[in-house]
Amino acid sequence: AQSVAQPEDQVNVAEGNPLTVKCTYSVSGNPYLFWYVQYPNRGLQFLLKYITGDNLVKGSYGFEAEFNKSQTSFHLKKPSALVSDSALYFCAVRDRDTGRRALTFGSGTRLQVQP
Amino acid sequence: ETGVTQTPRHLVMGMTNKKSLKCEQHLGHNAMYWYKQSAKKPLELMFVYSLEERVENNSVPSRFSPECPNSSHLFLHLHTLQPEDSALYLCASSQESGVNSPLHFGNGTRLTVT
Repeated sequence: AQSVAQPEDQVNVAEGNPLTVKCTYSVSGNPYLFWYVQYPNRGLQFLLKYITGDNLVKGSYGFEAEFNKSQTSFHLKKPSALVSDSALYFCAVRDRDTGRRALTFGSGTRLQVQP
Repeated sequence: ETGVTQTPRHLVMGMTNKKSLKCEQHLGHNAMYWYKQSAKKPLELMFVYSLEERVENNSVPSRFSPECPNSSHLFLHLHTLQPEDSALYLCASSQESGVNSPLHFGNGTRLTVT
């Protein structure tokens, strides 16, 4: 079975400050990991993914995420938050060893960036 | 603008009605998905189609019936729904040949069952 936990319902950060949105995962094999963002009244948009190789992955809009196998984590980060980053963020996992096609998503974390 | 289009954007239906949700993708993908999004809950995978064949069905009640007539179109037929079925229904597509290819989502249909 594959699962994702996003322990924070909401993260508040001031504009210009660094931000972190936390994600931990559970798979029986090795993971493919993804981050998506959802703006109001829109579908989810792909931000970045970890497949293999470098543990630090860079994605769209200045976001990056760090894969930590020992802690089974894949936290999303950005050095300097913008008000326009305010949205709902979803972490997702696929177990690469099961051949299952679909992603399993977390419950989402709402990021609020204050001016 | 998203390459995955969902219609209608909003739908209100009674418990005895029959309606259908439509999804169309213009990305040349060959896998399509239905997800259900309820507030403060993980996205729930409902159905997966690959090359027009249903390959996953996640214990979804029979009042939801999917149809995939070709690789570009996906439908979700609804009948005798319950109020707890009110949610945002998201369609997504991906390229099947790339197992780590990301999903591309539509903007969803907001369903309210009265």
